[in-house]
Amino acid sequence: KAGVTQTPRYLIKTRGQQVTLSCSPISGHRSVSWYQQTPGQGLQFLFEYFSETQRNKGNFPGRFSGRQFSNSRSEMNVSTLELGDSALYLCASSLALGGYEQYFGPGTRLTVT
Amino acid sequence: DAKTTQPNSMESNEEEPVHLPCNHSTISGTDYIHWYRQLPSQGPEYVIHGLTSNVNNRMASLAIAEDRKSSTLILHRATLRDAAVYYCILSNQGGKLIFGQGTELSVKP
Repeated sequence: KAGVTQTPRYLIKTRGQQVTLSCSPISGHRSVSWYQQTPGQGLQFLFEYFSETQRNKGNFPGRFSGRQFSNSRSEMNVSTLELGDSALYLCASSLALGGYEQYFGPGTRLTVT
Repeated sequence: DAKTTQPNSMESNEEEPVHLPCNHSTISGTDYIHWYRQLPSQGPEYVIHGLTSNVNNRMASLAIAEDRKSSTLILHRATLRDAAVYYCILSNQGGKLIFGQGTELSVKP
């Protein structure tokens, strides 16, 4: 069974631009969560989607948004990029909402210059 | 969200057991104890989770204190591939994990 895939793996953007990251969960998994990892703040929860609806949200500004499609694939969008948005963005999938076994993808490394 | 306290780092010898401690004195009755690990340059990996009873799986064992204020992740025979940052997390919402700083485990050959 294929694992969680994230595209692109690496991305370089300029301050002020916007970016869209994609996550394909493990087949059959219906819940997708997103996390941001930086050296200073560690791993921080962004949001969780299930059945195309955001079910949980972390403490991030409104520039960070996401969505989930009917096939459970998810995208997250960051608008008006700031230098501090440079991070590894990880998504995780699980079978159900609040699933206790989260399977993480390899992440997308975003660099904002 | 209830907090956990873990040592910043631990060392182990290859093929010996490793006991990774975690304190969580403010745990609530509905909080599950989760353990994830993150190998270098990879996303976190699920290890084990439990509520009240000790749990075993192919990767590790989780020993939970009777008052649930602490727990220990046990790797029965450490290998070099077990070198990673281990996170102990409390959550009653499995999809929302609040990661702390974790314990960096190094394994010596």
